[in-house]
Amino acid sequence: DVKVTQSSRYLVKRTGEKVFLECVQDMDHENMFWYRQDPGLGLRLIYFSYDVKMKEKGDIPEGYSVSREKKERFSLILESASTNQTSMYLCASSTDSSTDTQYFGPGTRLTVL
Amino acid sequence: AQSVTQLGSHVSVSEGALVLLRCNYSSSVPPYLFWYVQYPNQGLQLLLKYTSAATLVKGINGFEAEFKKSETSFHLTKPSAHMSDAAEYFCAVSPLMDSSYKLIFGSGTRLLVRP
Repeated sequence: DVKVTQSSRYLVKRTGEKVFLECVQDMDHENMFWYRQDPGLGLRLIYFSYDVKMKEKGDIPEGYSVSREKKERFSLILESASTNQTSMYLCASSTDSSTDTQYFGPGTRLTVL
Repeated sequence: AQSVTQLGSHVSVSEGALVLLRCNYSSSVPPYLFWYVQYPNQGLQLLLKYTSAATLVKGINGFEAEFKKSETSFHLTKPSAHMSDAAEYFCAVSPLMDSSYKLIFGSGTRLLVRP
């Protein structure tokens, strides 16, 4: 069965802290994605990766960076967390076929105080 | 740029009633289209997808959607709502001209089912 896991379901951090969100997939997928989900805005793409060590900016990359050192793992980094980064963060993965489904993790609800 | 519009941030139906969730896309070339469902405190799960085969697509849990090119629509329907259908539903488009296989999501529609 397809599985995407995220390191934490809930996270509370303070303003200015460096935050790491981890995502692991066990399907040998080429593509991995990080989204943030906010009420009324749907899902917005932060970054995606189409191969190890390869990344591209999505629609809202400001304040975020990513790392993909291994095919199965994709990390989202908030260099200096701010209160406007309080949100639900969703990781997804897919093959490199344009018709393929994206498979989502359960999400991490991040609160920045 | 491609976009997806979901009409109605909240839709409320009675149990047993028809469910209709609307989705319109903007694209000069018919894209691939998806409907995802998100149950409370969970990630997104694929309901169904259109990839240029049959225009009427059947998905899980009794849902189906019809691709109408003339109306640039991909509305989601279910003949009879069940309490367990209460969730948030997202329409998404995969731009064919973009090789990165990104999805563009609508803002979501929360379905409420009344007993």
